[in-house]
Amino acid sequence: SQQGEEDPQALSIQEGENATMNCSYKTSINNLQWYRQNSGRGLVHLILIRSNEREKHSGRLRVTLDTSKKSSSLLITASRAADTASYFCATDATGSARQLTFGSGTQLTVLP
Amino acid sequence: DGGITQSPKYLFRKEGQNVTLSCEQNLNHDAMYWYRQDPGQGLRLIYYSQIVNDFQKGDIAEGYSVSREKKESFPLTVTSAQKNPTAFYLCASKRTSTDTQYFGPGTRLTVL
Repeated sequence: SQQGEEDPQALSIQEGENATMNCSYKTSINNLQWYRQNSGRGLVHLILIRSNEREKHSGRLRVTLDTSKKSSSLLITASRAADTASYFCATDATGSARQLTFGSGTQLTVLP
Repeated sequence: DGGITQSPKYLFRKEGQNVTLSCEQNLNHDAMYWYRQDPGQGLRLIYYSQIVNDFQKGDIAEGYSVSREKKESFPLTVTSAQKNPTAFYLCASKRTSTDTQYFGPGTRLTVL
């Protein structure tokens, strides 16, 4: 079952703009992770936020988590053409034996 | 893609044939995973193994089999019982003590 659902499914922006992607999930979680996938490649881990954290930063990435709304957002600031990729949220649900459940992803296109 | 290799990159199968996808890691990770990704979709868990000689079914295990005879290796066999095997297959691994998964580059399987 796919617990995480990303919104929007596709996003197209100009280089230099900020990109925001959202993820909603259904059950209690231990942590939520964001991964990036370039076309036809494997996934690369970007950032992990635990259930007791509300915000986390890593370089140009900012992740927020609202456990009361069961939602998370990923903000990429000052986007670059190289940021073009699919972005997935993955939840480590409580009682899931530490397995990850992935959403369907947001396809981000950054136009030069 | 780190220290995880998958082979082959592309694989073609005739209907009724079994095929085996290779996944090897040199990261000394205990846990290994197999996911299936269909076009425009997220990842779905096929099988996972948390320790040598032990593995569990994921959400879509029917028509697939695995083995874990060595810590470094977690091959996936797609059997003829899998009715719609054309997909992108991703292998991942992680340390037991952490939550981040590391992915291989993937194998694209096409049934002719």
